[in-house]
Amino acid sequence: QLQLQESGSGLVKPSQTLSVTCAVSGASISSGDYSWYWIRQPPGKGLEWIGYISQSGSTYSKPSLKRRVTISVDRSRNQFSLKLSSVTAADTAVYFCARGGKTQLWFGLDVWGKGTTVTVSS
Amino acid sequence: DIVMTQSPLSLPVSPGEPASISCRSSQSLLHDNGFKYVDWYLQKPGQSPQLLIYLGSNRASGVPDRFTGSASGTDFTLKISSVEPEDVGVYYCMQVLQTPQTFGQGTKVEI
Repeated sequence: QLQLQESGSGLVKPSQTLSVTCAVSGASISSGDYSWYWIRQPPGKGLEWIGYISQSGSTYSKPSLKRRVTISVDRSRNQFSLKLSSVTAADTAVYFCARGGKTQLWFGLDVWGKGTTVTVSS
Repeated sequence: DIVMTQSPLSLPVSPGEPASISCRSSQSLLHDNGFKYVDWYLQKPGQSPQLLIYLGSNRASGVPDRFTGSASGTDFTLKISSVEPEDVGVYYCMQVLQTPQTFGQGTKVEI
């Protein structure tokens, strides 16, 4: 059974880079035609789509974050990662990773990690 | 960006009673393949979101059949035929047709 587990910076200072990794277990990240998502949730607020990386390695991210976001896959470690540069307090959130399909074979975000809290504070 | 507008934002319910949540998209979510690209998720208290419905009306694996998704034009509805105590939480619609993909504001269902 596929499981996702986030791990992250925890506490990051303003202007620095936030780094979160999602470890995939129970299956190879390279098998199947999946896309790998990042979604965040500021304290007490709703869900915000950050972006995703497709099986081919193409990345898509929210335009307002695009300049600061890097999403990558490390197939040797069976994990994918999010880096967000120049962070501010507004980037404080629980960061979730999730698995999705590709557009023509969409089945929803069917597996989610438990989330990791990242706080931006000096 | 496609805006997803949910209503109501808060929904008090009683066990055994039906419940309905609406979501309206600012643009058509109809793909060339004939499917409407909207999902529904439930985030129970203290948990990560879980998939309920994908492509407008397809129940995800393991989701009870009391949950039904439907669509009419740019209006999408999630119905619970008979609310159970474990259905409390925040429900989100999400459009996955275009990037940036976007969520509704969430509807808090409480008993």
